[in-house]
Amino acid sequence: EIVLTQSPGTLSLSPGERATLSCRASQTVSSSYLAWYQQKPGQAPRLLIYGASSRATGIPDRFSGSGSGTDFTLTISRLEPEDFAVYYCQQYGSSFTFGPGTKVDIK
Amino acid sequence: QVQLVESGGGVVQPGMSLRLSCAASGFTFSISGMYWVRQAPGKGLEWVAVISYDGSNNHYADSVKGRFTISRDNSKDTLYLQMSSLRVEDTAVYYCAKKKSGTYYEPCDVWGQGTMVTVSS
Repeated sequence: EIVLTQSPGTLSLSPGERATLSCRASQTVSSSYLAWYQQKPGQAPRLLIYGASSRATGIPDRFSGSGSGTDFTLTISRLEPEDFAVYYCQQYGSSFTFGPGTKVDIK
Repeated sequence: QVQLVESGGGVVQPGMSLRLSCAASGFTFSISGMYWVRQAPGKGLEWVAVISYDGSNNHYADSVKGRFTISRDNSKDTLYLQMSSLRVEDTAVYYCAKKKSGTYYEPCDVWGQGTMVTVSS
């Protein structure tokens, strides 16, 4: 089973700053079947990115995804107040595993 | 609008069984693959089970294999998760989620609000 590792565990930033989140897989993720989700307290997750770099419907263009193989990145170009949340990556090319998450909190 | 509503959660003792349901509306359920994903209190997301649009293909996480069964009734637009031999570590919010498109290997693009399952003696 592919294991996903996310770093950092917590990212403390100010509104307006750039956030760079990493997701590393223990094996190659086939066909870049890598997704990113955002989850706020008390809410269900929301799909942000699929196929490593495609934005889901209604997702602002400040969110972007990149990477292939075993290394993937979610970038939030300028943090808005509503972006402070936990972010999970998921691979769905071999089974459907999630990473442990990165919390983006206000500095 | 697209909606998923889970039900059936509650408090059960270890070793007992429980069946969760997920009622779908606002989209063509019969052509959509589905997930169950859970989240233990204060923890991350864990996929539990996945089923194809017609129920002919499914996968389970190792942690639930042999104890949980995912199924669907396309005539009722409803997804199920039959959970047996429940353990304390199965305590979590259980979400149902819709696959983004019709192929098997897809992410979740719509999620329900979740139903809480507590396994405790």
